[in-house]
Amino acid sequence: SQQGEEDPQALSIQEGENATMNCSYKTSINNLQWYRQNSGRGLVHLILIRSNEREKHSGRLRVTLDTSKKSSSLLITASRAADTASYFCATPPGSGYALNFGKGTSLLVTP
Amino acid sequence: DAGVIQSPRHEVTEMGQEVTLRCKPISGHNSLFWYRQTMMRGLELLIYFNNNVPIDDSGMPEDRFSAKMPNASFSTLKIQPSEPRDSAVYFCASTRGSGNQNEKLFFGSGTQLSVL
Repeated sequence: SQQGEEDPQALSIQEGENATMNCSYKTSINNLQWYRQNSGRGLVHLILIRSNEREKHSGRLRVTLDTSKKSSSLLITASRAADTASYFCATPPGSGYALNFGKGTSLLVTP
Repeated sequence: DAGVIQSPRHEVTEMGQEVTLRCKPISGHNSLFWYRQTMMRGLELLIYFNNNVPIDDSGMPEDRFSAKMPNASFSTLKIQPSEPRDSAVYFCASTRGSGNQNEKLFFGSGTQLSVL
């Protein structure tokens, strides 16, 4: 199955710094989504970027998509302790219906 | 809107016992998904329902796993008999529409299952 792969697996930064996470995928897609998971909770949708978009913003989040490199990045600016969570990219499957998720980037933001 | 509701939040059982996980999707959502999350394998899709009908169950690991959706507001995932390797967090998610890949998923808080 097609599956996004996040990089790095873990990231530790201080409050106020920017955090960048990357996602690579294998085949053509029509959109890519990013989700956040706080410890002990379910995933929460953050943003969806379509294949004809190169960049999208939502508050302190900035997502880019490079379809030629089959990669996406999630930038969190001016990070806060509350941003501590795991972040997942999700891509549509080549066949079937449900999104495929990577294993996530674990972000730790220390005060 | 209460979101996707799963129960129980935690389940500890002994090998060989039957386990039933429950999910109430968001009202008005037509698609429901069961995922399993482990450290080793990440998030894996188990089964997908659309309008209460199972559409894709290719992710169900084996015959010990079964899922039902008797109506639009309720689904169960059953493991019988349970084994230690079934220990994981099981998530239910729902979305509007008929599995359009452009739609975002709404996840429940999950059931942490431990099989001893």
